[in-house]
Amino acid sequence: AQKVTQAQTEISVVEKEDVTLDCVYETRDTTYYLFWYKQPPSGELVFLIRRNSFDEQNEISGRYSWNFQKSTSSFNFTITASQVVDSAVYFCALISNSGYALNFGKGTSLLVTP
Amino acid sequence: DTGVSQDPRHKITKRGQNVTFRCDPISEHNRLYWYRQTLGQGPEFLTYFQNEAQLEKSRLLSDRFSAERPKGSFSTLEIQRTEQGDSAMYLCASRRDRGTDTQYFGPGTRLTVL
Repeated sequence: AQKVTQAQTEISVVEKEDVTLDCVYETRDTTYYLFWYKQPPSGELVFLIRRNSFDEQNEISGRYSWNFQKSTSSFNFTITASQVVDSAVYFCALISNSGYALNFGKGTSLLVTP
Repeated sequence: DTGVSQDPRHKITKRGQNVTFRCDPISEHNRLYWYRQTLGQGPEFLTYFQNEAQLEKSRLLSDRFSAERPKGSFSTLEIQRTEQGDSAMYLCASRRDRGTDTQYFGPGTRLTVL
């Protein structure tokens, strides 16, 4: 069975603060893929990043960075110098190499205030 | 690429009525997925197609739900005899038929059953 846990239900920060969204996963598969999606109030899920289980290199894309640690089964997401436009619900998801469906966490609602 | 599109964006119906949603995937994406998302939860898998073949169905997909993809392009999801518990966001995603490629989501159809 696969499971994704996002323990933080809601986070509120003031603009320009850094914020880290946690994601912990469970799987028995050795080959799997992890994703982060952003869901703004409009409802569309926007793809942010994909990482396979054999690539533990951290990644940075502008103000976004991701820290993948297999030893702790975590795939955390950090937004540096947050902006109001970052306000959204963020989902972490997992799929095994042999699977067909994404398994999502319950999401973390991020509110960035001016 | 033009993104995944869904129609309608919003649907309000009375209990017991039938509703049908449409999803147009990204062109050349052979795989198409339907997910359901209720308030405060992550999306949950319903069913998926490879071309016109429906390959998997979740236990969430009761007998009142039917999905089709007749020509391997667009897909429809029909709910018969709607119930208040069917109120949710219905999300469609598509991806290339290549390994475990990324699923790209449409804007969703928000269904409200009165």
